[in-house]
Amino acid sequence: EADIYQTPRYLVIGTGKKITLECSQTMGHDKMYWYQQDPGMELHLIHYSYGVNSTEKGDLSSESTVSRIRTEHFPLTLESARPSHTSQYLCASSGPSGSGEQFFGPGTRLTVL
Amino acid sequence: AQSVAQPEDQVNVAEGNPLTVKCTYSVSGNPYLFWYVQYPNRGLQFLLKYITGDNLVKGSYGFEAEFNKSQTSFHLKKPSALVSDSALYFCAVRDRSGGSYIPTFGRGTSLIVHP
Repeated sequence: EADIYQTPRYLVIGTGKKITLECSQTMGHDKMYWYQQDPGMELHLIHYSYGVNSTEKGDLSSESTVSRIRTEHFPLTLESARPSHTSQYLCASSGPSGSGEQFFGPGTRLTVL
Repeated sequence: AQSVAQPEDQVNVAEGNPLTVKCTYSVSGNPYLFWYVQYPNRGLQFLLKYITGDNLVKGSYGFEAEFNKSQTSFHLKKPSALVSDSALYFCAVRDRSGGSYIPTFGRGTSLIVHP
């Protein structure tokens, strides 16, 4: 198992709440990613970062934001959660290997009521 | 541009039989190719990758994949399936010639191994 952690693993919240999903890795990887995945379905890239103070939006339009103040930490924030945000959120990182294989955290399963 | 296709939503195989999960890709240049496995309620786990060299790549848990440049394929294989291999499998591609580190993932194939 790769050393990449996500908390919480499961979260049930009401509409309109602000939430932050945490992601940390201890591998010193410079590149980190957030994906959204409905159960058993394909992955959609929502944000990525190539290093500290670098963040970009992915292919999937998202109402979330991210920050990268430290190499090991890449939190994702939803300012006002809605039922359409109900999904699984996967964090990943990749290191200096030229091929760039990704290592994934266990995911956060978010339910917005 | 890069894309990947997994033509089968589901593959069923009996335990002990060989399995194949198909993947085809399209890139402008030469590819990096990857296979990942996802067990229920878990993140994706890296299985193997093709960079260059030998067309047969060996990975974790007895899996291997065969790179075929002429057919632009990278099928995942295992000689003898186990019930515990039942999971969701994702193929991914990244174009070497691009400056992006973002791979494109396939839609996933559900592998079901029957006892």
